[in-house]
Amino acid sequence: EDQVTQSPEALRLQEGESSSLNCSYTVSGLRGLFWYRQDPGKGPEFLFTLYSAGEEKEKERLKATLTKKESFLHITAPKPEDSATYLCAVQARDYKLSFGAGTTVTVRA
Amino acid sequence: NAGVTQTPKFQVLKTGQSMTLQCAQDMNHNSMYWYRQDPGMGLRLIYYSASEGTTDKGEVPNGYNVSRLNKREFSLRLESAAPSQTSVYFCASSEAQAYQPQHFGDGTRLSIL
Repeated sequence: EDQVTQSPEALRLQEGESSSLNCSYTVSGLRGLFWYRQDPGKGPEFLFTLYSAGEEKEKERLKATLTKKESFLHITAPKPEDSATYLCAVQARDYKLSFGAGTTVTVRA
Repeated sequence: NAGVTQTPKFQVLKTGQSMTLQCAQDMNHNSMYWYRQDPGMGLRLIYYSASEGTTDKGEVPNGYNVSRLNKREFSLRLESAAPSQTSVYFCASSEAQAYQPQHFGDGTRLSIL
């Protein structure tokens, strides 16, 4: 059975304090790993897709990396507007997405 | 550019009532999906449509039915609502089923009393 585990569940940061979120997974035949951002009362917003170990993607203060067992989302010098829940999802051989429960990030000014 | 539009945004039902959640996308995507999101759990796939004319069960299909009305529209029906179906429901679409990111609507918040 495909499994996705995100840690920590919640992360409180001071503005400018860099940190990383973890997404560990077990999946039959990884076709892709996706990161999303979700604001309260909204749907998930697509951030990145990673397809193979060693791949990295960047967008503003966010950088996603991928190994064979896990992915990290690094937040560099975060701002209050980076506060959100970050979701990780893996696509298996059958093309279905399995989502983690998310990490809720709060950035204080 | 609207993306994925879901209606209604909120709904309260009584146990046993039926209702249809509507979803439409304007991105010319081939694949569409219905998920539910419950506190402390990841999004769980209810049903999906890989392409127009096809539908398949996901992880939690019991108590639900779907219709792919055309390429743009994908509806989710609760025939006899139960309190366990209280949740936030998200519709998503993607260009193709494989490898492509899914794009989500803003959800329907459904409470069943």
